[in-house]
Amino acid sequence: DAGITQSPRYKITETGRQVTLMCHQTWSHSYMFWYRQDLGHGLRLIYYSAAADITDKGEVPDGYVVSRSKTENFPLTLESATRSQTSVYFCASSESWAIYEQYFGPGTRLTVT
Amino acid sequence: DQQVKQNSPSLSVQEGRISILNCDYTNSMFDYFLWYKKYPAEGPTFLISISSIKDKNEDGRFTVFLNKSAKHLSLHIVPSQPGDSAVYFCAASDTGNQFYFGTGTSLTVIP
Repeated sequence: DAGITQSPRYKITETGRQVTLMCHQTWSHSYMFWYRQDLGHGLRLIYYSAAADITDKGEVPDGYVVSRSKTENFPLTLESATRSQTSVYFCASSESWAIYEQYFGPGTRLTVT
Repeated sequence: DQQVKQNSPSLSVQEGRISILNCDYTNSMFDYFLWYKKYPAEGPTFLISISSIKDKNEDGRFTVFLNKSAKHLSLHIVPSQPGDSAVYFCAASDTGNQFYFGTGTSLTVIP
């Protein structure tokens, strides 16, 4: 199906483990984004990518790594998960930076124990 | 520090009446604003936007008002319907930079 998908939808991991959240979009949008949603903070940008092999930090990048080898995929890796990274993670895409509307995936609820 | 604030965490409105959701921002460089709607277990979906050259934008039952001098925007939903019950996020950006989101307002429309 066309759209933007995230996997897994739910994940429980232990402190110190590496975990990767996947994001895939079928629109060939240039821009992709990772946000986290926490109570009292709304949505905060972690990383974004303007195109394949081009990534940049957002507001809260510490503890996260991203890559974008293909236009359609934008995985987010927590290299050594901490309890403070327990959150709901949303991936989004947009056609260009000048077109402001972003299309969001359904989210991944991550719990770090 | 939160650059975009939604000071009302929740709002309840009777079906058919007007819902008014408010958003304040601190950065005078912000020039583009969006509202997103979010249902439980789903990602946010785009609702309506406004640029700083306008003070009002309308799309069906949804109208966004921008008061630049007060650094305030509001979303009006008229008439409110039970299907409008969701969390609403406002977001703001200065051209070419990232969007900053508010903390959201949970709207409940009572049938």
